[in-house]
Amino acid sequence: DTAVSQTPKYLVTQMGNDKSIKCEQNLGHDTMYWYKQDSKKFLKIMFSYNNKELIINETVPNRFSPKSPDKAHLNLHINSLELGDSAVYFCASSQDDVSYEQYFGPGTRLTVT
Amino acid sequence: RKEVEQDPGPFNVPEGATVAFNCTYSNSASQSFFWYRQDCRKEPKLLMSVYSSGNEDGRFTAQLNRASQYISLLIRDSKLSDSATYLCVVMVGTGGFKTIFGAGTRLFVKA
Repeated sequence: DTAVSQTPKYLVTQMGNDKSIKCEQNLGHDTMYWYKQDSKKFLKIMFSYNNKELIINETVPNRFSPKSPDKAHLNLHINSLELGDSAVYFCASSQDDVSYEQYFGPGTRLTVT
Repeated sequence: RKEVEQDPGPFNVPEGATVAFNCTYSNSASQSFFWYRQDCRKEPKLLMSVYSSGNEDGRFTAQLNRASQYISLLIRDSKLSDSATYLCVVMVGTGGFKTIFGAGTRLFVKA
């Protein structure tokens, strides 16, 4: 029944490693997003995909690479992890890229040691 | 200047109190406005949209002042369950909408 799901929920890894976070939505939405919420709780958009196409790419290091194999999935791969990447990463979806409401996943808490 | 600014609080209020949060935004091209709620260690959820004419949903009233680039949220008769962080959200459209979240205002309602 979960509308937007993310795996894993927690991820602890060492600097320099490469990791992926997966996101799936079963709402039939066209648009999906990745957000980063840092230790100060500031939620900032990283990427937005509409029908598998990238429409927003904020100033994010190119170590972060999103991939959308179909419109129900948006994964986030991070290369060469750094301490500053520690944060909670939220996936979200909306009906389309002009829709009001975004539905968020439960978040992935990434800790880089 | 941040694109969306909120007083971080925390606001500590007793049950039954009325509390108001304010938010200002810098981009005059902003088109849509919302309040989201985020509980501790949970994901944000839409609380309500905000219109120039103002809108009300039970104990919650939201207002938008485009001239002053200012959004407000009023909570009447506060409940313990209202304790959360309230996020002001603005959508800016420039060939694709971009969603900008404020840093949030923390509310604690105590018995």
